[in-house]
Amino acid sequence: SQQGEEDPQALSIQEGENATMNCSYKTSINNLQWYRQNSGRGLVHLILIRSNEREKHSGRLRVTLDTSKKSSSLLITASRAADTASYFCATDDGGFKTIFGAGTRLFVKA
Amino acid sequence: DGGITQSPKYLFRKEGQNVTLSCEQNLNHDAMYWYRQDPGQGLRLIYYSQIVNDFQKGDIAEGYSVSREKKESFPLTVTSAQKNPTAFYLCASSRQGKGSPLHFGNGTRLTVT
Repeated sequence: SQQGEEDPQALSIQEGENATMNCSYKTSINNLQWYRQNSGRGLVHLILIRSNEREKHSGRLRVTLDTSKKSSSLLITASRAADTASYFCATDDGGFKTIFGAGTRLFVKA
Repeated sequence: DGGITQSPKYLFRKEGQNVTLSCEQNLNHDAMYWYRQDPGQGLRLIYYSQIVNDFQKGDIAEGYSVSREKKESFPLTVTSAQKNPTAFYLCASSRQGKGSPLHFGNGTRLTVT
């Protein structure tokens, strides 16, 4: 079962532009997380937002959560070539499982 | 440095053979997980363990087996019953608790021919 689904599937932007990725999920959650994966590597945790939070910042990352719409967005500001990676949202199933979406592939052109 | 070590990075096997993927963590985490990732896709949960000597099936457990005899170790065996074993396998760990952030290893790429 796939709880989160990201949109778009792929995104190509110029260095310095902002990148926005969206995630929708199906059931109630305790929190939502965003991860990054460089090609051929493991995932790295970026940020966690709890179900009672609406917005969270970490450096150039801004995450929003709308539980009424069951959706979240990840904004990367002033993107760099090094931000090129796949980005995944992940939610819990109300229990101990963490379920990932299919991811958004971001390509930042120098 | 604390982290998760998966070995080997690349693994090649003939069809019909069982193969065991190693995962070791020194983060003192209670929970450990195995995910499978196919090209261009997300992660699918194979098995997870919240505590030593206990584990649960994930969404795609058929053809796989695990053990959790030590807190630090969570090996995954891909059996000959797994119909499409070629994939990228990721191990992760987390503190106990629902929705805790996962720490990942760098994966093992298994190719079965």
